Amino acid sequence: EAGVAQSPRYKIIEKRQSVAFWCNPISGHATLYWYQQILGQGPKLLIQFQNNGVVDDSQLPKDRFSAERLKGVDSTLKIQPAKLEDSAVYLCASSLLQNTEAFFGQGTRLTVV
Amino acid sequence: GENVEQHPSTLSVQEGDSAVIKCTYSDSASNYFPWYKQELGKGPQLIIDIRSNVGEKKDQRIAVTLNKTAKHFSLHITETQPEDSAVYFCAASFFSGNQFYFGTGTSLTVIP
Repeated sequence: EAGVAQSPRYKIIEKRQSVAFWCNPISGHATLYWYQQILGQGPKLLIQFQNNGVVDDSQLPKDRFSAERLKGVDSTLKIQPAKLEDSAVYLCASSLLQNTEAFFGQGTRLTVV
Repeated sequence: GENVEQHPSTLSVQEGDSAVIKCTYSDSASNYFPWYKQELGKGPQLIIDIRSNVGEKKDQRIAVTLNKTAKHFSLHITETQPEDSAVYFCAASFFSGNQFYFGTGTSLTVIP
């Protein structure tokens, strides 16, 4: 079974630039999560999708972050404009249903300079 | 929302010894408690999980215990090996909720 795929693995951008991350969840998984993991901390949820609908985006900084999951499969997370404090690893995860085992991708390490 | 605390933040053990990591949660509605292992440069990987209707679960050298009354759960690794060295995260979620709440992580080092 293929795992959660994310790209790119690494990205370095200047502040105020924009960046986009892509996630392909495990086939058949209805729930998709985007987490932000700052160095030395646990993952923090940014947004959760159930199929192509948003379930929870209460912690997403909506003035600069946006995400979509078209057709209930792949998802993209965008930051525009980026700030220095956005430097982190962005993890995508998927699960068959809510409140079941979540599988994580390898993440995208973003550095904002 | 849920608040998950995890201790210790770092843990060093000799190879072959046991390691214990403890977590507490605040929301009594939480009913699913996974543990993740994260190696450098990789995403978290589920190693064991437990639901609130079970008090203990074992999988070879790894076990998790849950005390619903006290709202705490623990990860036990026996006969530790160098490849167990990683950062371990506990998490909690509840059926009607929308997310996993993670602890702050424990960096485990197994000394050969």
